Amino acid sequence: DIQMTQSPSSLSASVGDRVTITCRASQGIRNDLGWYQQKPGKAPKRLIYAASSLQSGVPSRFSGSGSGTEFTLTISSLQPEDFATYYCLQHNSYPFTFGPGTKVDIK
Amino acid sequence: QVQLVESGGGVVQPGRSLRLSCAASGFTFSSYGMHWVRQAPGKGLEWVAVISYDGSNKHYADSVKGRFTISRDNSKNTLYLQMNSLRVEDTAVHYCAKDLVAAGRGYFDYWGQGTLVTVSS
Repeated sequence: DIQMTQSPSSLSASVGDRVTITCRASQGIRNDLGWYQQKPGKAPKRLIYAASSLQSGVPSRFSGSGSGTEFTLTISSLQPEDFATYYCLQHNSYPFTFGPGTKVDIK
Repeated sequence: QVQLVESGGGVVQPGRSLRLSCAASGFTFSSYGMHWVRQAPGKGLEWVAVISYDGSNKHYADSVKGRFTISRDNSKNTLYLQMNSLRVEDTAVHYCAKDLVAAGRGYFDYWGQGTLVTVSS
């Protein structure tokens, strides 16, 4: 099975900060990776698919990059509504696996 | 608009069974793969299972293989998860999610709001 790791596991940031989250796969997954945002008590919401394609309706301050085993999610200017937990998901091979998550909270 | 509504959660004793349902509307259910994803209290997301658009292909997480069965009834626009031999560690909110692809390749685009399963004696 492919294992996913994320770093950091949590971070504190201020509105307007640039935030970068990294996701690593235990083996190459091409660009079969998505990024999801989840707020407490809510279902996850997809932000990025195919590693770098922005989901329709998602603000352009979110961007994704990477291929193979290393991927990043960047928020260019953190907004109040972005405080949440972020997960990566590999869907290159079954069983699909999520990263453990990165919690972004207010400094 | 797309709606996914899960039901069937509740409190059950270890070793017992439960069946979850996910009623779909607002899209052609029979054309898309569907998934179950779960989240234990205070923990991260765990992918559970996928079924292709016609039910011919299914895959499971190692943690549920042999105990859980995913199925669908395209005439009723409903997805199911039959959960047998439940364990305390199966306690979680269970979400159904629609795939963008018929085969169910992991392009989740819509999620339900989840149903809580609590396994406790």
